[in-house]
Amino acid sequence: SSELTQDPAVSVALGQTVRITCQGDSLRSYYASWYQQKPGQAPVLVIYGKNNRPSGIPDRFSGSSSGNTASLTITGAQAEDEADYYCNSRDSSGNHLGVFGGGTKLTVL
Amino acid sequence: EVQLVESGGGLVKPGGSLRLSCAASGFTFSSYSMNWVRQAPGKGLEWVSSISSSSSYIYYADSVKGRFTISRDNAKNSLYLQMNSLRAEDTAVYYCARYQQYCSSTSCNGDAFDIWGQGTMVTVSS
Repeated sequence: SSELTQDPAVSVALGQTVRITCQGDSLRSYYASWYQQKPGQAPVLVIYGKNNRPSGIPDRFSGSSSGNTASLTITGAQAEDEADYYCNSRDSSGNHLGVFGGGTKLTVL
Repeated sequence: EVQLVESGGGLVKPGGSLRLSCAASGFTFSSYSMNWVRQAPGKGLEWVSSISSSSSYIYYADSVKGRFTISRDNAKNSLYLQMNSLRAEDTAVYYCARYQQYCSSTSCNGDAFDIWGQGTMVTVSS
């Protein structure tokens, strides 16, 4: 197995830009995917691969990666972006997407 | 509409068993690997198990290995998780999730759990 580390909480002023990071050795070899989860709801995929958004995800969400760190950036954060965000990647065996970060609680002020 | 619907959760005593089901619709179920992911109350997401499209490859988290069994029935468009020897720490919402690999004819650009069910709650308590 391997680990992905996220900051537990981040805040951003309405309309400003925020970056949520995810660190782990596996990210040197594999892309991270990012999920948004609002209270009482299932996770929703927001970013996958190098920097791709599924259909329906606003273009204010973007992803990037450097070395052992993957980042999710929200440019012009909206009130509805307040949620928990999780990164995910393959485990050390590379056989499956077996590792999630601990999650980052995003507060929009 | 692409959809995953879990069922089978409930209250069970420590040491007991439970079988979760996930019904898929709106896509060719037999073409996709599937996964179970759980979330304990107030905690983060934890991957539990994965099964390839033809059931040839199966993986488990160390925390459930030897106690949980993942399976699927492609004829019924269904995914299952048999949970035995349940412990208090297995208490969680259990989600089924579809695995998607994003590849073209020449390269791949990542993979992800692209579709999730609404989850089913499992509570292990005496």
